[in-house]
Amino acid sequence: GENVEQHPSTLSVQEGDSAVIKCTYSDSASNYFPWYKQELGKGPQLIIDIRSNVGEKKDQRIAVTLNKTAKHFSLHITETQPEDSAVYFCAASRGKAAGNKLTFGGGTRVLVKP
Amino acid sequence: DTEVTQTPKHLVMGMTNKKSLKCEQHMGHRAMYWYKQKAKKPPELMFVYSYEKLSINESVPSRFSPECPNSSLLNLHLHALQPEDSALYLCASSQERGGQAFFGQGTRLTVV
Repeated sequence: GENVEQHPSTLSVQEGDSAVIKCTYSDSASNYFPWYKQELGKGPQLIIDIRSNVGEKKDQRIAVTLNKTAKHFSLHITETQPEDSAVYFCAASRGKAAGNKLTFGGGTRVLVKP
Repeated sequence: DTEVTQTPKHLVMGMTNKKSLKCEQHMGHRAMYWYKQKAKKPPELMFVYSYEKLSINESVPSRFSPECPNSSLLNLHLHALQPEDSALYLCASSQERGGQAFFGQGTRLTVV
């Protein structure tokens, strides 16, 4: 089955700096890669996603890049703010062919220091 | 509206109790999911329903029994749970063809 590895497990940045989280996946048939933000006591919130036919996607301060050949994808957060502090999860899916199952990475705890 | 509503938010139950978790969405999604999340770990898939039919059971013990009464509702019936079943139980929904999955706030379950 799919295996998703996520690094780093913790990330501390100064407010205004950029944060980068990297994930690798094992199943070349995976074609959908979402990123979730989970705040304490809450469920995961979808923040951005990318499909395998796209190399990069941007939404305001966040962007995701995908390298299908290397089987890795990354989340970039620019101009970080204290409210960006949370646990971030990457995930991979083979879509409907695999029941839309999401396989998550281990998570990255991001702390933005004011 | 991308809201998935789960009730209750918190639940404490004894090992001999029977309880149910409930999930509701009104996005017209025909795929619904139950995930289990232990502390400091990622969510792990338990069940997938597609068009109200169970399509995936990730080898979940029979003390967890899912039910999908209609296209908007998903239940998880709990019976004879163990303390190690204590976790955050998350419901999610998506279009049946895949893509964006939206999660509820979860039910924090404690088994005593």
